[in-house]
Amino acid sequence: DAGITQSPRHKVTETGTPVTLRCHQTENHRYMYWYRQDPGHGLRLIHYSYGVKDTDKGEVSDGYSVSRSKTEDFLLTLESATSSQTSVYFCAISEASAYEQYFGPGTRLTVT
Amino acid sequence: DQQVKQNSPSLSVQEGRISILNCDYTNSMFDYFLWYKKYPAEGPTFLISISSIKDKNEDGRFTVFLNKSAKHLSLHIVPSQPGDSAVYFCAASGHTDKLIFGTGTRLQVFP
Repeated sequence: DAGITQSPRHKVTETGTPVTLRCHQTENHRYMYWYRQDPGHGLRLIHYSYGVKDTDKGEVSDGYSVSRSKTEDFLLTLESATSSQTSVYFCAISEASAYEQYFGPGTRLTVT
Repeated sequence: DQQVKQNSPSLSVQEGRISILNCDYTNSMFDYFLWYKKYPAEGPTFLISISSIKDKNEDGRFTVFLNKSAKHLSLHIVPSQPGDSAVYFCAASGHTDKLIFGTGTRLQVFP
């Protein structure tokens, strides 16, 4: 299995608070992605990174920001959490663009 | 606008029989297709892929078929085993850095 960890694995937070999720890889892959999984929607891309300090938006990027200051770490920040952001968040990595992506174990976030 | 569609939310198959999971896409620019399997409380795991220059790719019990004219791909699992019970996602990409995922099909293999 690819070396991908996500932290925290579970989090409950209140509406309006900022939240940061962390993805850490040991594979030295160039590409990193953040997805959310919701019933009836499958996996939807939030943001992705194609190198250190290089990021771009996905289809559901509103309310989220990302940062990548090192190859191995990709942070997802919810500026001001809302109940609609209650979801399971997955990080993925890939050696090359749109090639096979390898997923982390996920973070279950509940916004009350 | 759902570019990748999995119209069957669930499928139930007897152990030993064939499981066929289907996926349709609308974007003719897609040229690479993948299937992922997901168990509860785990991340999706890559299963098998196919390039648009092929119409079939096989890996053990898993075979993916691509019909470009119909914009349709399918995953065949033969023989199905109880451990195959999971949610299966198809995904597609085409000249971008992104994968577009379908909504998933829950496969249940019963004894």
